[in-house]
Amino acid sequence: DQQVKQNSPSLSVQEGRISILNCDYTNSMFDYFLWYKKYPAEGPTFLISISSIKDKNEDGRFTVFLNKSAKHLSLHIVPSQPGDSAVYFCAASATGTASKLTFGTGTRLQVTL
Amino acid sequence: ETGVTQTPRHLVMGMTNKKSLKCEQHLGHNAMYWYKQSAKKPLELMFVYSLEERVENNSVPSRFSPECPNSSHLFLHLHTLQPEDSALYLCASSQAPQGNYGYTFGSGTRLTVV
Repeated sequence: DQQVKQNSPSLSVQEGRISILNCDYTNSMFDYFLWYKKYPAEGPTFLISISSIKDKNEDGRFTVFLNKSAKHLSLHIVPSQPGDSAVYFCAASATGTASKLTFGTGTRLQVTL
Repeated sequence: ETGVTQTPRHLVMGMTNKKSLKCEQHLGHNAMYWYKQSAKKPLELMFVYSLEERVENNSVPSRFSPECPNSSHLFLHLHTLQPEDSALYLCASSQAPQGNYGYTFGSGTRLTVV
């Protein structure tokens, strides 16, 4: 049973436009959510996170929105840049689970010129 | 050297071989993890070590054997693997309880079992 789902395996966006990556979760115990970015031949790198006590967190061009009632979060990148082309993983954790992160399958973002 | 370093970057091994993957972190973190990434699957948690003690073994076959001799080093010993074990193996570290930055990952070892 996949507890964190990224239903779009890929997304193509034009440079300068907004990229919206979506993530759904099923475990109501999750209270902390993160987005990671992964380039080929590299490990994932932390991008942005949000606690369940918030519904929005912004860091420069990146904003994460959390809708707890829908068990849905999204990552907005605006404006999108070619260097943003990568695989984006959504991850979630629950307090008291030995810092264990549960990951989604990832969404490959391609930002075109 | 900083961050999380994994060696080797690539490994090809036969099903009867024994090999080890190495992970080293220079961040002063107290928890380390092994994850497996297969194509079109989520990153799968294999093992968690917190303060050098294994706190989780996520139903991983015994042909994978972790070792954590100290808080900076983590190994994954491999023996009699199967072709379906071919994947990217990622090591990560964190400061538990988890802070706002989650894990720091290494670049991974691309394992091919032939």
